[in-house]
Amino acid sequence: GAGVSQTPSNKVTEKGKYVELRCDPISGHTALYWYRQSLGQGPEFLIYFQGTGAADDSGLPNDRFFAVRPEGSVSTLKIQRTERGDSAVYLCASSLYGRAETQYFGPGTRLLVL
Amino acid sequence: AQSVTQLDSHVSVSEGTPVLLRCNYSSSYSPSLFWYVQHPNKGLQLLLKYTSAATLVKGINGFEAEFKKSETSFHLTKPSAHMSDAAEYFCVVSEGMRFGAGTRLTVKP
Repeated sequence: GAGVSQTPSNKVTEKGKYVELRCDPISGHTALYWYRQSLGQGPEFLIYFQGTGAADDSGLPNDRFFAVRPEGSVSTLKIQRTERGDSAVYLCASSLYGRAETQYFGPGTRLLVL
Repeated sequence: AQSVTQLDSHVSVSEGTPVLLRCNYSSSYSPSLFWYVQHPNKGLQLLLKYTSAATLVKGINGFEAEFKKSETSFHLTKPSAHMSDAAEYFCVVSEGMRFGAGTRLTVKP
């Protein structure tokens, strides 16, 4: 079947604007994860969904970041009042049940805040 | 608190020689541990995972890793490097989904 997809692949925005990043997980995967990867660094955990609920949002850096997964499938990461420091590749992954399992990663959305 | 330390930011080997990428972890209990690989301009791919079964784990493309609880290590090895192994490698602990900073593997012809 299809893998994890993310849209858009690239997003350029201006400081202070609002952005939404979308993730379509593998069908049937109950767990979904968001990460942020800055240049030259490893992915940084942001949030983990189990079904529709956020099981762990301890990685969200501040209240400008928010994510939803209303029907337990597609997820949207929302960033308000973007800052230049938010520029990074945002990765989404899904796994069948939970954290101890293999995560399948999408190609990422490259966000550039000017 | 859980954390992962990859001891080398860059490893360079010659084709056909062994590869060793080192990873140490800290966790409040026996975690699941993973190695992922990221080729340039490609997505992250699982190499192998440890989930409290056999301590020696075999993965794809000839890679393996050994879980050593006494040393809190999960080093990645391969007997003979291939040019296609050149990539960034990440060690991950499941508790908190913490990624290491990564090790860039260069393979010289």
